[in-house]
Amino acid sequence: DAGVTQSPTHLIKTRGQQVTLRCSPKSGHDTVSWYQQALGQGPQFIFQYYEEEERQRGNFPDRFSGHQFPNYSSELNVNALLLGDSALYLCASSLSGSNQPQHFGDGTRLSIL
Amino acid sequence: AQKVTQAQTEISVVEKEDVTLDCVYETRDTTYYLFWYKQPPSGELVFLIRRNSFDEQNEISGRYSWNFQKSTSSFNFTITASQVVDSAVYFCALKKGSNYKLTFGKGTLLTVNP
Repeated sequence: DAGVTQSPTHLIKTRGQQVTLRCSPKSGHDTVSWYQQALGQGPQFIFQYYEEEERQRGNFPDRFSGHQFPNYSSELNVNALLLGDSALYLCASSLSGSNQPQHFGDGTRLSIL
Repeated sequence: AQKVTQAQTEISVVEKEDVTLDCVYETRDTTYYLFWYKQPPSGELVFLIRRNSFDEQNEISGRYSWNFQKSTSSFNFTITASQVVDSAVYFCALKKGSNYKLTFGKGTLLTVNP
C-alpha cells in the first residue's frame, strides 16, 4: 500500500523563477493538504484541496497556488520565488472528514539561490 | 486563535531512560483534535496518535503513552525505555473541529544516545 509520494525530492531555483511540486495521495485518500516547513520550525499550513477545489487556505500570498486532479493527485505552484521560500514542502493526504488524521510524504526540499 | 507550545527545544537521554515530551495548547473551541507526529531525519512526518477533546482517557501503545489533561490544556507524550531509533523531532499539533488546518508546535528534538 503506497503512502504519500512527492516529487521531486530536491529542487534548486533562483529568485523570480516559478516552481511546481507534485503529490500523489495515499491510496483511498481524496483530500490533499500542503505545508511549508522552514528549518527548525513546525510545518505551516498553505492550503487544502478536496473535490478539485481549494477548501481552506492559510496565511500565504497568492504566489502560492495549487491544483487537484480527478485522480486526487495535486500540484503546488509557487511564482516569483523569493529567498524566503526556501523550505521543505510537505504534502499530506487524508479522508475528507475534518477529524481524519493527515498522512505526510517525505517532502520536497526547495532551495532558492 | 490556536496555538501549540512545545517548550522543550531539545532533549538528550541515554538509551533505556524514560522521557516525556510536553505539549501545551490554546484554543477557544470546545471541539478540537490533538495529534503527535514523529519526524526522523528523512523528513517524513509519521502520524502517532489523534485524540479528540471529548476523550480524556490516556492511551498506551507499546512503549508510547499519552496524557491528555483539559484542565491544564496539555497533551504530553512519554516514551518508556527509550531506544536509539526514537531519535527524531516530535511535533504536537492541534486542529479545530470544523477546520482542516493543522497547527503545529515548533517541535522537540529528541536524541537517544547508546
